[in-house]
Amino acid sequence: GAVVSQHPSRVICKSGTSVKIECRSLDFQATTMFWYRQFPKKSLMLMATSNEGSKATYEQGVEKDKFLINHASLTLSTLTVTSAHPEDSSFYICSAGAGGETQYFGPGTRLLVL
Amino acid sequence: EDKVVQSPLSLVVHEGDTVTLNCSYEVTNFRSLLWYKQEKKAPTFLFMLTSSGIEKKSGRLSSILDKKELFSILNITATQTGDSAIYLCAAPRDYNTDKLIFGTGTRLQVFP
Repeated sequence: GAVVSQHPSRVICKSGTSVKIECRSLDFQATTMFWYRQFPKKSLMLMATSNEGSKATYEQGVEKDKFLINHASLTLSTLTVTSAHPEDSSFYICSAGAGGETQYFGPGTRLLVL
Repeated sequence: EDKVVQSPLSLVVHEGDTVTLNCSYEVTNFRSLLWYKQEKKAPTFLFMLTSSGIEKKSGRLSSILDKKELFSILNITATQTGDSAIYLCAAPRDYNTDKLIFGTGTRLQVFP
């Protein structure tokens, strides 16, 4: 149980394009999903909290117009990196809570912006 | 500012060795501490600790929390090459949120 999927697992795009990443909880309903970014050899940095049916809340320093989050249903949240630039290249991970503080992570999406 | 600190940052051992990973925390409204294992992809959940002195165990892995001294340890006995990973500890920021503060992780490498 508590499986979270992410799609795509890897994406390469040109600078200026937008990229959408999907995060799905496969066997449970998640009212809250979290989006993280991880740089090489660094820990997870929380970007935003995605709540079903309401606007996402962003952490300080994260541009909400740059990283658009939509939590369309209890099993799906999407992160769109708009007008991507090379500095947006990173490993993006989502997680979903099944109630309480335990979070289950998706397998991550590696984004490379050329 | 709330924070979670892990040590050592990196550890290299041989198969069969026992290792202890440390996690200290400063969280104003502490609720629980979580351990995750991260291999090449996203972290997988290991343990959640809420009470002092009660060891949680899963196979060769065990963990315990000391709420007085504000730390936790993760022990791995008889290490195997498959234990090679980054081990992360994390704590919720507050009582009314599930947002986690992560430590920087300990990179464990187990050689045959």
